[in-house]
Amino acid sequence: GNSVTQMEGPVTLSEEAFLTINCTYTATGYPSLFWYVQYPGEGLQLLLKATKADDKGSNKGFEATYRKETTSFHLEKGSVQVSDSAVYFCALNTGFQKLVFGTGTRLLVSP
Amino acid sequence: DTGVSQDPRHKITKRGQNVTFRCDPISEHNRLYWYRQTLGQGPEFLTYFQNEAQLEKSRLLSDRFSAERPKGSFSTLEIQRTEQGDSAMYLCASSLDGTASGANVLTFGAGSRLTVL
Repeated sequence: GNSVTQMEGPVTLSEEAFLTINCTYTATGYPSLFWYVQYPGEGLQLLLKATKADDKGSNKGFEATYRKETTSFHLEKGSVQVSDSAVYFCALNTGFQKLVFGTGTRLLVSP
Repeated sequence: DTGVSQDPRHKITKRGQNVTFRCDPISEHNRLYWYRQTLGQGPEFLTYFQNEAQLEKSRLLSDRFSAERPKGSFSTLEIQRTEQGDSAMYLCASSLDGTASGANVLTFGAGSRLTVL
């Protein structure tokens, strides 16, 4: 079946540190992959996406590359800010935007 | 457009009562989705509509749950005879089907949190 596995959190970093949140997936075929972010009290927001192998999604300094050979879509940012503190969800599209999400990784950035 | 709106934001009810949630999607979006998110977990797909037609229901959607989108605009999700296990955040999302820029990407509402006592 389709599934997404994310690293457990919380991930605690100091401002300007490098961020990596690991995401691996199991799927039939080659689904589109997404990262969503959830700030406290707000809805899920699309952060970035990639639709095929070797695609790199990027937004707001975050990047993730669709790696078919390792079935991974790790999220990275070179220098995090306090405002990046949130919960990050990796997801794959099983068709018609029926997304399968990981359990989420909480990021805490301190000044 | 103010995005996807959900109402109420919070609902506390006693076991056995019925509850209804409403979702107003982005006006030009023809697809509407319901997801459920429990504490510490990612959202799980429940059902989706293309216009007014309900095209798929997850096995998570027991017969106590019913969703409608009568005119292809807003949607309601009703839970009958609520159980404590129904306590969760119910998320609505919408998207535009097609090839236009921005199509086929879900926009989520802030959710309706249900607590069943």
